[in-house]
Amino acid sequence: AQSVTQLDSHVSVSEGTPVLLRCNYSSSYSPSLFWYVQHPNKGLQLLLKYTSAATLVKGINGFEAEFKKSETSFHLTKPSAHMSDAAEYFCVVKGAQKLVFGQGTRLTINP
Amino acid sequence: DAGVIQSPRHEVTEMGQEVTLRCKPISGHNSLFWYRQTMMRGLELLIYFNNNVPIDDSGMPEDRFSAKMPNASFSTLKIQPSEPRDSAVYFCASSIGQGAITIYFGEGSWLTVV
Repeated sequence: AQSVTQLDSHVSVSEGTPVLLRCNYSSSYSPSLFWYVQHPNKGLQLLLKYTSAATLVKGINGFEAEFKKSETSFHLTKPSAHMSDAAEYFCVVKGAQKLVFGQGTRLTINP
Repeated sequence: DAGVIQSPRHEVTEMGQEVTLRCKPISGHNSLFWYRQTMMRGLELLIYFNNNVPIDDSGMPEDRFSAKMPNASFSTLKIQPSEPRDSAVYFCASSIGQGAITIYFGEGSWLTVV
């Protein structure tokens, strides 16, 4: 069975500093991995996805994630945080037709 | 392009009442998903349909919950009778194809049962 673990429930950074949101996955086969973002009172929006092509995946709004099989990780990064990045972020693994969500990481941006 | 459309966006209802949530998937998508989001349990898949047929309803919490997809452009999630513990955000999502598909989410129906 596929699963993901988001290692931090809450991350707080200052505007203009790097962002790192950590995710480890478990999968019995080569996984498809996603990061979704949820802004307050909104639905979920796809940031990026990994589909066994390039291990470094670039997404929207300057985010990127690197698939590391040896570490079973798919951490999300951004070089410089913006106030509009404040949201909940979900790491997701695809199993069969279903998505399995992590518990989410709430990102707070300090001015 | 219109995304996944859900209604109502917000509903407050009394315990014991019937609640019906509606979803219109993206045109051409052949899979539809209902998720529930709560603080305690995060995002849970309740049921998903492929080509209008329910494929996996193992996430439906109990018999009070039912979902239908009478055609490719419409689905409902019904709770009868509703209970306070059903208070949550219910998301509908849709996708097309196989493999590493992208699932598109609606903006959710925010349900409060008092």
